[in-house]
Amino acid sequence: EVLMTQSPATLSVSPGERATLSCRASQTINYNLAWYQQKPGQAPRLLIYGAFTRATGIPARFSGSGSGTEFTLTISSLQSEDFALYYCQQSSNWPRTFGQGTRLEI
Amino acid sequence: QVQLQESGPRLVKPSETLSLTCTVSNGSISRSYWSWVRQPAGKGLEWIGRMYTSGSTKYNPSLESRVTMSLDTSKNHFSLKLTSVTAADTAVYYCAREASDYNTERGYYYYMDVWGKGTTVTVSS
Repeated sequence: EVLMTQSPATLSVSPGERATLSCRASQTINYNLAWYQQKPGQAPRLLIYGAFTRATGIPARFSGSGSGTEFTLTISSLQSEDFALYYCQQSSNWPRTFGQGTRLEI
Repeated sequence: QVQLQESGPRLVKPSETLSLTCTVSNGSISRSYWSWVRQPAGKGLEWIGRMYTSGSTKYNPSLESRVTMSLDTSKNHFSLKLTSVTAADTAVYYCAREASDYNTERGYYYYMDVWGKGTTVTVSS
């Protein structure tokens, strides 16, 4: 099983600032990495897939990078609606696995 | 745009079988991958399994002995059964579509692009 490790667990930032979230895979997953945003009481929403492709309707302030085992989600200028939980997930191996999440808070 | 809706009993007794259905609307269930993911209250996401419209399935080894996924193309829905449930199976259960893409740089890659709103299932006597 591929272990996905996200850091930090909690990131405190201010609106307008840049946020950088990290995700590490325990073995290489090439570009098979997706990022999801989850707000309280809601289902996860796809943000980024294939490591760096933005999903439909996702603002350009969200960007993904990385390959192999190290990945990053960057939010360039935080808006109030961006404060949420963020998960990375690998789809290179079975079973699919998620990171434990990074909480983005003010 | 494709939408998914989970349905099924919200309360299941210990040792019994949890059964959920995910109805696909505004699109066909054919030629796609369909997944289940769950999330205990206050915890992270756990992948349960995926099936293709051909009937092929992949399950999480941690649940494989208790999980069955099935699909009904005539009703445009797919289903999850989890047997011998315990309190540890209490969670929000989501259904999702797993899409796939290919390019020469990245090869094949997969991602869950459409999710249901989720349904809370509690295991309790």
